[in-house]
Amino acid sequence: DTGVSQNPRHKITKRGQNVTFRCDPISEHNRLYWYRQTLGQGPEFLTYFQNEAQLEKSRLLSDRFSAERPKGSFSTLEIQRTEQGDSAMYLCASSLVRGWAFFGQGTRLTVV
Amino acid sequence: AQSVTQLDSHVSVSEGTPVLLRCNYSSSYSPSLFWYVQHPNKGLQLLLKYTSAATLVKGINGFEAEFKKSETSFHLTKPSAHMSDAAEYFCVVSDPGSARQLTFGSGTQLTVLP
Repeated sequence: DTGVSQNPRHKITKRGQNVTFRCDPISEHNRLYWYRQTLGQGPEFLTYFQNEAQLEKSRLLSDRFSAERPKGSFSTLEIQRTEQGDSAMYLCASSLVRGWAFFGQGTRLTVV
Repeated sequence: AQSVTQLDSHVSVSEGTPVLLRCNYSSSYSPSLFWYVQHPNKGLQLLLKYTSAATLVKGINGFEAEFKKSETSFHLTKPSAHMSDAAEYFCVVSDPGSARQLTFGSGTQLTVLP
């Protein structure tokens, strides 16, 4: 499968725990995006990378959230001290600089 | 700033009848516009895209959309609905002036009745 891959697909965690999600983009894509989608809403932009550089972060990305793309390939999104409001689907997408975005299937986070 | 308004949160049609999902956009630049579809427990799939070429855009599964600059609209249509079309549809604007690349509408849930 040469699409965007996200792991895990589902994560249930207790409030206050840290979680980390991984995204493997399409191999030749130099842009990588993270979005968050809550129930009944469209995805909202969180952050994006061009190669290993994180070029923009949304105000939605509080200081408990951190994203990395250390070698310009896969990316991780970590949420520290999770809260119930963090429960959502976290989507990763990748693209070429002037291409359209391909999305992964997402990681569904449930904070209990 | 760019934004997208999907005018209907839910649309129900009978199988075999036409589908119309409405979308209006706002953008400071000449935008690129997209429709994505999301089936339950599946990822977002690109249906079609408008990038300043032909104003009538054909996509996959028989869907098409027409870009109307004067009306700032990009409505999605299909002549005959199929049961497999039942899903959530998102209208999306991409503004070259914004590093965020994609701004999503709130979605339209399409139900297809037998």
